[in-house]
Amino acid sequence: NAGVTQTPKFRILKIGQSMTLQCTQDMNHNYMYWYRQDPGMGLKLIYYSVGAGITDKGEVPNGYNVSRSTTEDFPLRLELAAPSQTSVYFCASSYELVQETQYFGPGTRLLVL
Amino acid sequence: AQKVTQAQTEISVVEKEDVTLDCVYETRDTTYYLFWYKQPPSGELVFLIRRNSFDEQNEISGRYSWNFQKSTSSFNFTITASQVVDSAVYFCALRVSGSARQLTFGSGTQLTVLP
Repeated sequence: NAGVTQTPKFRILKIGQSMTLQCTQDMNHNYMYWYRQDPGMGLKLIYYSVGAGITDKGEVPNGYNVSRSTTEDFPLRLELAAPSQTSVYFCASSYELVQETQYFGPGTRLLVL
Repeated sequence: AQKVTQAQTEISVVEKEDVTLDCVYETRDTTYYLFWYKQPPSGELVFLIRRNSFDEQNEISGRYSWNFQKSTSSFNFTITASQVVDSAVYFCALRVSGSARQLTFGSGTQLTVLP
């Protein structure tokens, strides 16, 4: 198993541009998550999904959109990039069990100038 | 609302010293789960341990050990005989039972082990 994979690894955007961060997991996990990590900080939840077709907002959803058309994929969309979205983005997934552990992808570093 | 506090922003030790990373959590839920993750300089997040609120047994895994005390709402992490490869940012996280399932992270402790 590859686990959780994310693309791209690094991206520079201009203000106002849009992009999609890709996340794929091959562990057949129902739950998937997007977090952002700002410098020197812990991770904050942006959006999460409990299964295909079901998504919900986390702590910091503004400026982002998600979709979940398959169990494997959970892309994160930035429509109008802003400097405040400069961060490292982590995707995670977990089983639908009581004590599931979230497994994280390698992260995408995004710089908005 | 849940909260995780890691008061130690940075710790430096010399190789072979023991070091304890503190984690204090807040929640009103009676069922919850605590986690430790390691983030080495390469940036990925590595899962280390999960404990549930009903199991206060301490756990040891090699040079790592964890002390869970509900009375003080703490879940501390000790590395014995530290090594340079232990240098990383360590995050404590909390998840409560329920539909959301998201993790609440502390701000992390940067551990530097000097040779």
